[in-house]
Amino acid sequence: EAGVVQSPRYKIIEKKQPVAFWCNPISGHNTLYWYLQNLGQGPELLIRYENEEAVDDSQLPKDRFSAERLKGVDSTLKIQPAELGDSAVYLCASSLDRDDEQFFGPGTRLTVL
Amino acid sequence: GNSVTQMEGPVTLSEEAFLTINCTYTATGYPSLFWYVQYPGEGLQLLLKATKADDKGSNKGFEATYRKETTSFHLEKGSVQVSDSAVYFCALSPENTGNQFYFGTGTSLTVIP
Repeated sequence: EAGVVQSPRYKIIEKKQPVAFWCNPISGHNTLYWYLQNLGQGPELLIRYENEEAVDDSQLPKDRFSAERLKGVDSTLKIQPAELGDSAVYLCASSLDRDDEQFFGPGTRLTVL
Repeated sequence: GNSVTQMEGPVTLSEEAFLTINCTYTATGYPSLFWYVQYPGEGLQLLLKATKADDKGSNKGFEATYRKETTSFHLEKGSVQVSDSAVYFCALSPENTGNQFYFGTGTSLTVIP
């Protein structure tokens, strides 16, 4: 069974440019999470979806970050415009339902120059 | 608030040495506790968990016991292998929060032959 798929794996952009990350969760998983992981830190939740609905986006910086999960399957996380401080690893995870084990993707490493 | 504090790394051990990675937490009520492992180039994987006081989680020779009295969940392994080289994250999920996670900063382990 395929795990959580993320693309791209690496992205280098200049500041003020837009960037988007894509996540394909494990088939049948209703809950999807986006995390931010700064260097030397643990993951921090940005947003959680239950099916198509964003049920927890309190940590998402809404002035420049946006996310969507159309049809309750794939999800996209966007930053516009990117800032130097956005350089980090962006992790996607999914679980069957909200109280089940989370499975993580390999992450997208973003470098903003 | 909720938080996890884990032993700073990096940790370097010889093969077959005994491993302890300390983890303490702050939370109200009775959280669930987890250890995740991240191998190079891969996503986080659940290593073990414990959902109530005095529970012991175990997997792949690793163990951790949920100690309510000392608010700790230390990870141990009796004899490490080179293949155990990875970053280990302690995490908690407060009760009744629908799988919301708080991660520690991670401890890098390198096992040398």
